[in-house]
Amino acid sequence: DAKTTQPTSMDCAEGRAANLPCNHSTISGNEYVYWYRQIHSQGPQYIIHGLKNNETNEMASLIITEDRKSSTLILPHATLRDTAVYYCIVRVMGGGADGLTFGKGTHLIIQP
Amino acid sequence: GAVVSQHPSWVICKSGTSVKIECRSLDFQATTMFWYRQFPKQSLMLMATSNEGSKATYEQGVEKDKFLINHASLTLSTLTVTSAHPEDSSFYICSAIRTERSYNEQFFGPGTRLTVL
Repeated sequence: DAKTTQPTSMDCAEGRAANLPCNHSTISGNEYVYWYRQIHSQGPQYIIHGLKNNETNEMASLIITEDRKSSTLILPHATLRDTAVYYCIVRVMGGGADGLTFGKGTHLIIQP
Repeated sequence: GAVVSQHPSWVICKSGTSVKIECRSLDFQATTMFWYRQFPKQSLMLMATSNEGSKATYEQGVEKDKFLINHASLTLSTLTVTSAHPEDSSFYICSAIRTERSYNEQFFGPGTRLTVL
């Protein structure tokens, strides 16, 4: 799986959009970008994934650059409950039967 | 979404004892489950892959005789930490693969916090 680079931490004001960047310059053509988050003392939670088109679901939007070397996860209206560590992971869709490789992620702190 | 449960959610034990942690897929069958470990302020680290009906596959550096994994049914995998010591204190998280729309996706359990005194 390709390596990803994320900022260690970010702050965002409650109610504002939180934009979390991720660099994945070595991504392969058949690799997808996945985002998970982990709220303190809980298991990871799937957020969204995409290949090359922008994606949106009820939780977030994913913007992938045209060259696919970076992406941004957008939480449109951040709440205090969005405070968590966000992990950007690049992998083949479904990944067969492989476990996930988690980097250090971005600790997003939503400020009241 | 798919639900994965773990039991217990937390456990405290004395050094030298063994602890069993259960991981269940509640609304789907999972031929493959994974066990992760997370130390404070660190990321999740994959420990092993649990396959129903066959032996688990362990990541490099994980002692298979210390961390016994049994995947006896399509909805249950267990991790037994044998002769636990304080350095085994950690947050243990399982995940299960569900095949949907022709691809596999992982769903995580809530984790089990183990404290060894």
